[in-house]
Amino acid sequence: EAQVTQNPRYLITVTGKKLTVTCSQNMNHEYMSWYRQDPGLGLRQIYYSMNVEVTDKGDVPEGYKVSRKEKRNFPLILESPSPNQTSLYFCASSSHDRRGYTFGSGTRLTVV
Amino acid sequence: EDQVTQSPEALRLQEGESSSLNCSYTVSGLRGLFWYRQDPGKGPEFLFTLYSAGEEKEKERLKATLTKKESFLHITAPKPEDSATYLCAAQEYGGSQGNLIFGKGTKLSVKP
Repeated sequence: EAQVTQNPRYLITVTGKKLTVTCSQNMNHEYMSWYRQDPGLGLRQIYYSMNVEVTDKGDVPEGYKVSRKEKRNFPLILESPSPNQTSLYFCASSSHDRRGYTFGSGTRLTVV
Repeated sequence: EDQVTQSPEALRLQEGESSSLNCSYTVSGLRGLFWYRQDPGKGPEFLFTLYSAGEEKEKERLKATLTKKESFLHITAPKPEDSATYLCAAQEYGGSQGNLIFGKGTKLSVKP
């Protein structure tokens, strides 16, 4: 089944403790992206990647890092999480023409 | 500034009561207009992509249309299982690398 898999689904952590949210896709898609979703603000893009070793900032990149060492994986790294990063996070992927995006099931992160 | 605005924010319908959701967009050059359905705590699920003014697409009780300034999602004789948040997103040509600009969504509730 074609899908985008995120892990974990739920995560509660403390301020300043580094964490990684993984994202993997099995569709051989070139394009991958991370979004956060907050009430009243909608989906906002954090980072995206056009292909292996090619990443760029989205609209809200502060406090986040990404890497794209393999085509199928696009992890989101929070080096020093803060409470304002408490949110619902989604990974998405698309083929090179970006005419169809598949989203993962989401990771609900709480930073206390 | 590129923007996508959805209205209404919330819509309550009785089962069988048809209605429309609106998505207005201001982007410099529209490459595609996407509609997604999102259930609580889950990732957006793709519904339609529209590419040019006058285009229409249908899926079961849903029909999406596109003009040069807005898109409509028409829901005919809705059922309770159509209850969800409906998101639209605009994709523009050029500098943003085809990234999606999301509206904040319309939360639809259909009562039996």
